Amino acid sequence: EAQVTQNPRYLITVTGKKLTVTCSQNMNHEYMSWYRQDPGLGLRQIYYSMNVEVTDKGDVPEGYKVSRKEKRNFPLILESPSPNQTSLYFCASRPGESPYEQYFGPGTRLTVT
Amino acid sequence: GQSLEQPSEVTAVEGAIVQINCTYQTSGFYGLSWYQQHDGGAPTFLSYNALDGLEETGRFSSFLSRSDSYGYLLLQELQMKDSASYFCAVRNNAGKSTFGDGTTLTVKP
Repeated sequence: EAQVTQNPRYLITVTGKKLTVTCSQNMNHEYMSWYRQDPGLGLRQIYYSMNVEVTDKGDVPEGYKVSRKEKRNFPLILESPSPNQTSLYFCASRPGESPYEQYFGPGTRLTVT
Repeated sequence: GQSLEQPSEVTAVEGAIVQINCTYQTSGFYGLSWYQQHDGGAPTFLSYNALDGLEETGRFSSFLSRSDSYGYLLLQELQMKDSASYFCAVRNNAGKSTFGDGTTLTVKP
């Protein structure tokens, strides 16, 4: 089944404890992206990657890191999480030639205390 | 930067037609898309416009006017299951995506 998977789905952690949210897609998509969504707001893009070893900042990259060593994986790293990073996170992917259709993962709900 | 505006809430009755408008600002416009999201679940793609005009996909249609930086999503024959949040999103030619804050559609019997 074609899909985008994220792990973990739920995470409660403490301020300053490094964490990684994994994202993997099995559709051979070139483009991958991370978003965060806060109550009443749309999805805000954190980072995106047009292909392996190519990453770019979105609208809200501060406090986050990403890497794209393989086509299928695009992990999101929070080196020192803070409470303002409590949010719902979505990973998405699309084929490079697709006009715009993005396939979203199920989301990761992160709480930083 | 990029920004979008869409109404925060829309209410309509079952079987009716509803239009959700979206205005945007961007440089290097590439396309405008629409997504549906139920209760914090994964957004799902509905429609996309890169050129001016109307795109129809079943009960959903989307329209774009690049000269007006404006688009809309048209939902016909509304069903209860259409109650959800709808987001417009603009993409520029560098691959950057920006979403609107979403429109909550409530469909009443």
